[in-house]
Amino acid sequence: EDQVTQSPEALRLQEGESSSLNCSYTVSGLRGLFWYRQDPGKGPEFLFTLYSAGEEKEKERLKATLTKKESFLHITAPKPEDSATYLCAVKFSGNTGKLIFGQGTTLQVKP
Amino acid sequence: NAGVTQTPKFQVLKTGQSMTLQCAQDMNHEYMSWYRQDPGMGLRLIHYSVGAGITDQGEVPNGYNVSRSTTEDFPLRLLSAAPSQTSVYFCASSSGTPSSYEQYFGPGTRLTVT
Repeated sequence: EDQVTQSPEALRLQEGESSSLNCSYTVSGLRGLFWYRQDPGKGPEFLFTLYSAGEEKEKERLKATLTKKESFLHITAPKPEDSATYLCAVKFSGNTGKLIFGQGTTLQVKP
Repeated sequence: NAGVTQTPKFQVLKTGQSMTLQCAQDMNHEYMSWYRQDPGMGLRLIHYSVGAGITDQGEVPNGYNVSRSTTEDFPLRLLSAAPSQTSVYFCASSSGTPSSYEQYFGPGTRLTVT
C-alpha cells in the first residue's frame, strides 16, 4: 500500500538549534516529492519539489534532500518564525495529479 | 493574481442541511482537488478534476458531490450535512504537467455541523 510517514510528530527547538524532519515513503514509481509549510488557520504553502534521488533544494534556512526511500527537511539555525507544521506529499505514477500526504511535523522554535 | 480562493471562510450547518463550498483559481490550472483536514488524519482527498467536465473520486468521497463546468471553478456540494463532516476543507490546483505537479492551496473553509 502506498504510504507516507513523517517523523517526529512534533519537534521543539531553541532558536539557532539545527535539526531535520523526516519523510519516508513506500510508493511505487515516485514521480515527485513535495514539501509544504502550514501555519495555523491557513492553507499549506508550497516549499519544494524533488524529483529524483540525490536532488537537493534550498530556501533560506531550509534544505530538502531526497533518497530512494525518504526525504529530509533540514532546518539550519531556525528562528521563531519558522514555527509551523511541515507537510510532505508524494505523487506516484499512474494517478494524474493525485498526492498522498503525510500527517505532518509540527515545529516550535523558542526564542 | 489571486491564486486559489475559497468561500466561505467559516460555516455552521445543522445536520441534514445542504451547502456548496466555492473554489476558484485564476492560474489556468487544469487539475483541481478538494481535501479535508482533520486532527491526526492529515489531508485526505475527497474529489478531484483533471479538466472541465472531468471529475473523479478520491479517498473519502461519500457525502460530497462535485462538478467542473469551467476551468476556473470547482465547487464542492454537501448534500445532507452530518457531524462527521465537521472539518477544514481545502481546495487546491495544479497545472498537472510533468514539470509542475505541485499543488497550490486555498485558505480553507472551516465547517462545523451540529
